[in-house]
Amino acid sequence: NAGVTQTPKFQVLKTGQSMTLQCAQDMNHEYMSWYRQDPGMGLRLIHYSVGAGITDQGEVPNGYNVSRSTTEDFPLRLLSAAPSQTSVYFCASSYGRRQSTDTQYFGPGTRLTVL
Amino acid sequence: EDKVVQSPLSLVVHEGDTVTLNCSYEVTNFRSLLWYKQEKKAPTFLFMLTSSGIEKKSGRLSSILDKKELFSILNITATQTGDSAIYLCAPLGGSARQLTFGSGTQLTVLP
Repeated sequence: NAGVTQTPKFQVLKTGQSMTLQCAQDMNHEYMSWYRQDPGMGLRLIHYSVGAGITDQGEVPNGYNVSRSTTEDFPLRLLSAAPSQTSVYFCASSYGRRQSTDTQYFGPGTRLTVL
Repeated sequence: EDKVVQSPLSLVVHEGDTVTLNCSYEVTNFRSLLWYKQEKKAPTFLFMLTSSGIEKKSGRLSSILDKKELFSILNITATQTGDSAIYLCAPLGGSARQLTFGSGTQLTVLP
């Protein structure tokens, strides 16, 4: 298993540009989520999905969209990038059905810089 | 609002020392508490705790949860330079079964 994969690893955008961060997992996990990590602020949940076709907002959803058309993929879209979105983005997934499988596994991250 | 406080924020020790990292939390619909280690990349899973008073161990690391007092501790004995990292505590709860992360404890182990 490849686990949780993310692309790209690095990205530089100009203010106003749009882009999609890709996330995929091959573990048949139901639960997937996106976090951003900023210095001194820890990891904050952007959006999450409890299964294909179901998404919901986390703590900091503004400026981001997600979709979950398949179990494997959970892309994060930045509609109009702003410098405040400069951050490291992590995708995570877990099986999700039972308490014993709550462990979330993280992808390697995408470092995004918005100029 | 869900809240997680980790202490200390940073810690510098020498190899061989024992350290205790603290995590206090307030989350609705608590399910479990997870500890992660983060070096210069993605967080990697250490422990998941669901029951009070039951210690989980992995080598030199151990952790315990107190659901009555709403805290958890992570102990590392005989520290090594490879233990240098940020240690993140994350209770899982809420209707979204989401992880709420603390800001972490930055541990530096000097040779």
